[in-house]
Amino acid sequence: QSVLTQPPSASGTPGQRVTISCSGSSSNIGSNTVNWYQQLPGTAPKLLIYSNNQRPSGVPDRFSGSKSGTSASLAISGLQSEDEADYYCAVWDDSLNGSWVFGGGTKLTVL
Amino acid sequence: QVQLQESGPGLVKPSQTLSLTCTVSGGSIGSGGYGSYWSWIRQHPGKGLEWIGYIYYSGSTSYNPSLNSRLTISVDTSKNQFSLNLSSVTAADTAVYYCARQTGFPGYFDYWGQGTLVTVSS
Repeated sequence: QSVLTQPPSASGTPGQRVTISCSGSSSNIGSNTVNWYQQLPGTAPKLLIYSNNQRPSGVPDRFSGSKSGTSASLAISGLQSEDEADYYCAVWDDSLNGSWVFGGGTKLTVL
Repeated sequence: QVQLQESGPGLVKPSQTLSLTCTVSGGSIGSGGYGSYWSWIRQHPGKGLEWIGYIYYSGSTSYNPSLNSRLTISVDTSKNQFSLNLSSVTAADTAVYYCARQTGFPGYFDYWGQGTLVTVSS
């Protein structure tokens, strides 16, 4: 069971807006910034959003992130077929000696 | 452009030590540039991501508490490589292993290797 809770699946039709949630606690999301990764089938994860809401160069502005308290969200607007992938949230957890924790992942299906 | 490449055996016998190396190109591990930390992350078949641990160019490390007793991560700045040793492996250690660069602290994983599948089986 993951420290961060994500819905296992999400779906939408092309052009729609979908959101993926990530729920944590005071020792992780409540204390540190959240990053999001996109993993296309058979490939390594790719940084999608960092520091809660920043997009690396090359990531379309259709992708956006937000954080409030101990929860974070990833929003994808203007959904496209190539957005079909697994999405993971990740954050540093300050408990014990500290460690990175990931959400269980959300499989996004474009209908 | 930083690139990372994992290498090592794809098959390890139970109770033995899993050893992997990550070779970094396009940037120097030893410079500590961008506050770089060098991590190992794994993904069990069909499952999510699990952070294994990181090493800073100076040699300081941080490990996942669940793996701490079996884990050693080391760095060889002269070869621009860092390595993972996981001892006493079982079938539960079968996974795709990724190396990744963590920029800043806590920062984020901005560059990843392609991953290498390691199977633990007799």
